[in-house]
Amino acid sequence: DTGVSQDPRHKITKRGQNVTFRCDPISEHNRLYWYRQTLGQGPEFLTYFQNEAQLEKSRLLSDRFSAERPKGSFSTLEIQRTEQGDSAMYLCASSPRTAILNTEAFFGQGTRLTVV
Amino acid sequence: GDSVTQMEGPVTLSEEACLTINCTYTATGYPSLFWYVQYPGEGLQLLLKATKADDKGSNKGFEATYRKETTSFHLEKGSVQVSDSAVYFCALSEAGGSTLGRLYFGRGTQLTVWP
Repeated sequence: DTGVSQDPRHKITKRGQNVTFRCDPISEHNRLYWYRQTLGQGPEFLTYFQNEAQLEKSRLLSDRFSAERPKGSFSTLEIQRTEQGDSAMYLCASSPRTAILNTEAFFGQGTRLTVV
Repeated sequence: GDSVTQMEGPVTLSEEACLTINCTYTATGYPSLFWYVQYPGEGLQLLLKATKADDKGSNKGFEATYRKETTSFHLEKGSVQVSDSAVYFCALSEAGGSTLGRLYFGRGTQLTVWP
């Protein structure tokens, strides 16, 4: 399967702990996005990478959140000192570099985080 | 700012019934419009898209027409199946936005189809 892969699929952590999620995009895609989805809501944008450069961060991404894409391939999203309000599904998506600006984004299955 | 307003669910239909899920948008430029579907236990999948006014996107019997005059992109299907049960998300992407390909999603509409 050559789709977007996220790991882990589920994570349960105690409040105050740090967690890290990984996303492996489709190999030839240079654009990578992180979204957060809470129950009953649509996904909300968190951050965007073009290759290894993080070009935009949402105001939703507090200073406890950090994302990296060190070699322009996989990406990690770390949440420090987790809070119960961080409980959500974290989605990763990728899309190819193309002359067409609004190309389809391909989503992974997400990492469901539960903070207890 | 850009936003999408989507008909709230849940929507429950019998098999072979007609489906319409309303979606309207607010955008500063000329967005592309999308419908994504999320089946139980799976990730978001693109169902259909339209990139300019009057375009009609279609896939798997679903259709949606980009209406600039009413800023709408309603999803329709003439005869739903049990296998269409899923959550449907309307979304837009601004062509000239600072984040290429950033999607703005509606809240999603849960569709359940009974046999």
